[in-house]
Amino acid sequence: QTVVTQEPSFSVSPGGTVTLTCGLSSGSVSTTDYPSWYQQTPGQAPRMLIYNTNSRSSGVPARFSGSIVGNKAALTITGAQADDESDYYCVLYMSGGISVFGGGTKLTVL
Amino acid sequence: EVQLLESGGGLVQPGGSVRLSCAASGFTFSTYAMSWVRQAPGKGLEWVSGLGNSGDYAYYADSVKGRFTVSRDNSKNTLYLQMNSLRAEDTAVYYCAKYGGISVARTTNWFDSWGQGTLVTVSS
Repeated sequence: QTVVTQEPSFSVSPGGTVTLTCGLSSGSVSTTDYPSWYQQTPGQAPRMLIYNTNSRSSGVPARFSGSIVGNKAALTITGAQADDESDYYCVLYMSGGISVFGGGTKLTVL
Repeated sequence: EVQLLESGGGLVQPGGSVRLSCAASGFTFSTYAMSWVRQAPGKGLEWVSGLGNSGDYAYYADSVKGRFTVSRDNSKNTLYLQMNSLRAEDTAVYYCAKYGGISVARTTNWFDSWGQGTLVTVSS
C-alpha cells in the first residue's frame, strides 16, 4: 500500500522561509498527481491553501506557494508569520478514485 | 458563501450504526462531487469516501469499504454517510468536503470547502 510521506515536524523563524514536502513511499510525485495542500489549526476545520500543484486558493496570502521539488510536491512559506504555526497536510490522488492524505507536518514558528 | 454543516454524530456502541448528514448551501450542490474525511483524536486527516455529483460513482478507503455507504439527495442539497459495524478505531471527527469538480477524478482532486465536522465516538 502506497504511503504519502511528510516531515512530522518543522520549525522556522519569523520572517524565514520553509519548504515542506510531500512524497510517496514508492515512486515520485509529479504534477499529474495534482497535489493539494491544507492548513489546520487546533480545533478548526482544514483550509485549502494550494491545489493542482501550484494554484493558490482564493484569499490565501502570496507567501504560500506550491511546486514540485525533485520527486516530491512542496509547499513553501516565504516570510513566515506567527499565525502560520499550524499543521499542514498534502493529499494525492491514487488510482480508482482513492485519495490519500500525508501524515501531516506540525510547523512551529519561533 | 459555501457552507457545509454536518450533523448526526454522537456516542455509538461497537457494532452499532449511525448516519451522518451534511447540509450544503451557497453553491450548486448537484454539480460537485463530495467527500467525507475523518480525523481521529490527535491524529491526521484520513480520506474516507468520495461521491460523484449524480451519486452514481462512489469510492471508499479500504478501512471502511463494506461497512460505510455514501449517498446524496440533490433535491435536499444533502450528503450522507451511513456507518455500520462500527469499531473503536472509527472514533473521529467526520468532515464533509467539496471536491473541485463534478466527479471524483484526478484532475479535480482537491477539497476546496470543508464543514466544521461532527464527532463520532464508538465506545461501550
